[in-house]
Amino acid sequence: EVQLVESGGGLVHPGGSLRLSCAASGFTFNGYSMSWVRQAPGKGLQYISHFTGGRGDFYYTDSLKGRFTMSVDNAKNSVYLQMNSLRAEDTAVYYCARVLAWGWFDSWGQGTLVTVSS
Amino acid sequence: DIVMTQSPDSLAVSLGERATINCKSSQSVLTSPNNKNFLAWYQQKPGQPPKLLIYWASTRASGVPDRFTGSGSGTDFTLTISGLQAEDVAVYYCQQYYTTPYTFGQGTKLDIK
Repeated sequence: EVQLVESGGGLVHPGGSLRLSCAASGFTFNGYSMSWVRQAPGKGLQYISHFTGGRGDFYYTDSLKGRFTMSVDNAKNSVYLQMNSLRAEDTAVYYCARVLAWGWFDSWGQGTLVTVSS
Repeated sequence: DIVMTQSPDSLAVSLGERATINCKSSQSVLTSPNNKNFLAWYQQKPGQPPKLLIYWASTRASGVPDRFTGSGSGTDFTLTISGLQAEDVAVYYCQQYYTTPYTFGQGTKLDIK
């Protein structure tokens, strides 16, 4: 069974940084594409970034590029999201998701809540 | 970026009836070589992560009941839920994966009338 477990969320002051982790299990991690998606309270889903397991490329939504950086550690079956210069509008539940084939998200973690507030 | 627009924002349908949710993309998500629509649908129940329902616009994901049907092509798509059940109360999202950044519709909230 595919399992994705996010961690690292919490309360952070505006301008601060946070690093989220996502530990994957139940499948052969190396070679799969992975993604981060967020959901602000009471709002819809927003794609943040993804990593293509085959080519090893990273993609980001333009509005977050430069502040958010995704990384992968195949030895630890994990992906990470480094978030810098955080703002109140970055408050959201952050989901890790596995990306299949051409780009649909077939498995999701339970999410980790990030709250940016003074 | 491709903008995905869903309609309606919310709807209420009686148990056993049909629910129809629409999704429109700002540009075509159909590829001509293999005639595939790069469009997925998700269901999100309160307090839960999204769940994949449909990909390639009309292919049901594993374990998804056949009362969920995806249709459409190009820029206009529909998710139809036939014989609505109480467990179908959720927010439904469409998503294009034709090009990055992948984008989602704003969501459609489905309730029981």
